[in-house]
Amino acid sequence: GAVVSQHPSWVICKSGTSVKIECRSLDFQATTMFWYRQFPKQSLMLMATSNEGSKATYEQGVEKDKFLINHASLTLSTLTVTSAHPEDSSFYICSASRREGIDTQYFGPGTRLTVL
Amino acid sequence: TQLLEQSPQFLSIQEGENLTVYCNSSSVFSSLQWYRQEPGEGPVLLVTVVTGGEVKKLKRLTFQFGDARKDSSLHITAAQPGDTGLYLCAGELSSNYQLIWGAGTKLIIKP
Repeated sequence: GAVVSQHPSWVICKSGTSVKIECRSLDFQATTMFWYRQFPKQSLMLMATSNEGSKATYEQGVEKDKFLINHASLTLSTLTVTSAHPEDSSFYICSASRREGIDTQYFGPGTRLTVL
Repeated sequence: TQLLEQSPQFLSIQEGENLTVYCNSSSVFSSLQWYRQEPGEGPVLLVTVVTGGEVKKLKRLTFQFGDARKDSSLHITAAQPGDTGLYLCAGELSSNYQLIWGAGTKLIIKP
């Protein structure tokens, strides 16, 4: 159990367009979802934490107007990269946990975004 | 600023050799997790250690949590090419349950 999916697995878009990435918990209800960004050969960088029905909490340095996060249900969170630019190209990974606070995070397979 | 220093960042060894990866911090963690990540995929949880001094074994992998819960190590015995990957440690802060990530260790096992 505890499977998390992401869609799409990869996307290529033109500069200036917006891209939406979905994160779904397939067999459990995720009270909290996390969005990470990972550059090649580097570790994960937490972008934001979202609790179902609440506004996301963004980490310092992450533009909330550029990276829109919606966690409208207990099984779905979306990350929209607005007006994407080449420097936004990265590997975006979501994770989900059943409860707020101390609980295991289950990771999605990631989405490779390339902005031309 | 909480930091989790992971070393080495890169390691390339021959099949059959042993290796150890370290994660050290000045912060105390309520738990520490080790992940393995393949290129183009999300990280996969290998183990969670919770108790100071705890040792967990997963086949040829041995994980240890420091007595003070500030550091951890991953030891691989007789490494195999299938062990190749990016290994990440992540410590969970007891104050806010935030995960603090190490920089990762890129491990290559040559046949």
